[in-house]
Amino acid sequence: EAQVTQNPRYLITVTGKKLTVTCSQNMNHEYMSWYRQDPGLGLRQIYYSMNVEVTDKGDVPEGYKVSRKEKRNFPLILESPSPNQTSLYFCATRTMSSYEQYFGPGTRLTVT
Amino acid sequence: RKEVEQDPGPFNVPEGATVAFNCTYSNSASQSFFWYRQDCRKEPKLLMSVYSSGNEDGRFTAQLNRASQYISLLIRDSKLSDSATYLCVSAREGGSYIPTFGRGTSLIVHP
Repeated sequence: EAQVTQNPRYLITVTGKKLTVTCSQNMNHEYMSWYRQDPGLGLRQIYYSMNVEVTDKGDVPEGYKVSRKEKRNFPLILESPSPNQTSLYFCATRTMSSYEQYFGPGTRLTVT
Repeated sequence: RKEVEQDPGPFNVPEGATVAFNCTYSNSASQSFFWYRQDCRKEPKLLMSVYSSGNEDGRFTAQLNRASQYISLLIRDSKLSDSATYLCVSAREGGSYIPTFGRGTSLIVHP
């Protein structure tokens, strides 16, 4: 079954404690990206990657890092989380020949 | 001004009704357009792409008006299961693909 998985699905943490949210896909898609979704603001892209070792900033990259060492994985790293990073995070993938995206189930992060 | 604007609603309609949503985009360089559906606290899922000539998928019809820079989604014969938030997306094509999502329009279909 084609899918995008994220872990953890829910996380409550404290300010400053480094965390990683994993994203994995089994569709062999080249393009992967991270979004955050906040009430009243909609989905905003954080980072994206067009292939292994190729990453670039989206609209709201501050406070986040990503890496793309393997095609199937695209982890999102928060080196020093702050309360304003409390949000619902989605990973998404697509092929390079289509702009239709497939989203993971989401990770609800709360930073206290 | 946000690049993609949608009326947040909610649109409250009875089963069987026809409902239409509009979405305006400000970037005239946008070339690709989509409607996604998002159920509460779930991931967005592609509903349909929007083509220049308009396209239909069952009870759903999408239209693009480049001159006025808006796209629309028409839902006929609404079902209870159509209750969701509908997200409009525009994107410029090319290597640096950063799609812009609207904030979504909430639809509630009641018996």
